[in-house]
Amino acid sequence: QKEVEQDPGPLSVPEGAIVSLNCTYSNSAFQYFMWYRQYSRKGPELLMYTYSSGNKEDGRFTAQVDKSSKYISLFIRDSQPSDSATYLCAMSADTGGFKTIFGAGTRLFVKA
Amino acid sequence: GAVVSQHPSRVICKSGTSVKIECRSLDFQATTMFWYRQFPKQSLMLMATSNEGSKATYEQGVEKDKFLINHASLTLSTLTVTSAHPEDSSFYICSGRGGLAGDQETQYFGPGTRLLVL
Repeated sequence: QKEVEQDPGPLSVPEGAIVSLNCTYSNSAFQYFMWYRQYSRKGPELLMYTYSSGNKEDGRFTAQVDKSSKYISLFIRDSQPSDSATYLCAMSADTGGFKTIFGAGTRLFVKA
Repeated sequence: GAVVSQHPSRVICKSGTSVKIECRSLDFQATTMFWYRQFPKQSLMLMATSNEGSKATYEQGVEKDKFLINHASLTLSTLTVTSAHPEDSSFYICSGRGGLAGDQETQYFGPGTRLLVL
């Protein structure tokens, strides 16, 4: 079993839809949770960062962490074609030297 | 967010030559830098982790004599692909992480270097 599981997709939605991207994990020590967005042929860009459980909102993006279920989500409201990218979840803990574990990434296509 | 640059953005070389890729943290001190490799439509594959002034730690299966990593300063790390072969063609991405408390949790990625070995 991988430490972090993420459905690779692809996920295709119409413009304006609400997108839900998810990851599950097995290591209860994880405390820091990140979402990165990667456009084709570019490096990943940090999109959201959350510490421990709870929600965090930034514009059209909302990150949720449920540590009891070991489940994290990224919601994108009013999705745009420019949101088409691969979204990687990532997590780390201060035990083990903050080693970051990445999900496989979910490819998202938003159709105009 | 913090900015990481990579140079060159793409390089084409002949088989047997060596290629050096530079990774710079522009507005923060990266005590730790990471080098990843990514094949088309696949996720990041961590190659090695380097701490400033120390030898890099390579992931299992990554040849340290093939992929030379130097992290001589808090803002610069280099990856040298020695005697490159066509199978080394890939997208190489570096990332940096700060060392201060409250700064160690997240990595900031460079834009990547596309290597094509003919």
